[in-house]
Amino acid sequence: AQTVTQSQPEMSVQEAETVTLSCTYDTSESDYYLFWYKQPPSRQMILVIRQEAYKQQNATENRFSVNFQKAAKSFSLKISDSQLGDAAMYFCAYLANTGNQFYFGTGTSLTVIP
Amino acid sequence: DAGITQSPRHKVTETGTPVTLRCHQTENHRYMYWYRQDPGHGLRLIHYSYGVKDTDKGEVSDGYSVSRSKTEDFLLTLESATSSQTSVYFCAISAGRAVGGYTFGSGTRLTVV
Repeated sequence: AQTVTQSQPEMSVQEAETVTLSCTYDTSESDYYLFWYKQPPSRQMILVIRQEAYKQQNATENRFSVNFQKAAKSFSLKISDSQLGDAAMYFCAYLANTGNQFYFGTGTSLTVIP
Repeated sequence: DAGITQSPRHKVTETGTPVTLRCHQTENHRYMYWYRQDPGHGLRLIHYSYGVKDTDKGEVSDGYSVSRSKTEDFLLTLESATSSQTSVYFCAISAGRAVGGYTFGSGTRLTVV
């Protein structure tokens, strides 16, 4: 089975600063998707950003961007101009194009300091 | 999230009792999933369905069963609840791999005492 590793259980960032959350994964597939989900205290899972492995260009959604290194199997999330509303648990997830089961990392809890 | 609802939102039950959690979608998506979320483990797949009456096991399926008699409903049953099944349970739906991404329900917090 594929594994997804988030090595930072907790991170903190000053408001308006930039923070990077790390994610690595293990797979023998060549075609797959990677995702970052945000879970605020409300418990709702919210899709932040998605990356197709066949695309070399890193995905960007407003203040959120990724650094996708396919050879290194690394998929980090950068949050720029951090806001109080960014405080949440962040999950990295993997989906093979040949399967329909997501594999999730264990999550990183992000605190935003005013 | 719009298009997917879980019930109940919270439940406390006693060890040994049966429990059924319900997931209902209005998106007509083919795939439906049940995950459990535990600290230090992220989300782990319990069971999933790829059509009416078509289901398969995930990595943590022991002690759980599912049923899908209609496209819109996916039920998760704990036949005899144990304290190790205390968790937050999420339902998710997907139209298919090419679309990518799940839409999640708001979760059910289940406590087994």
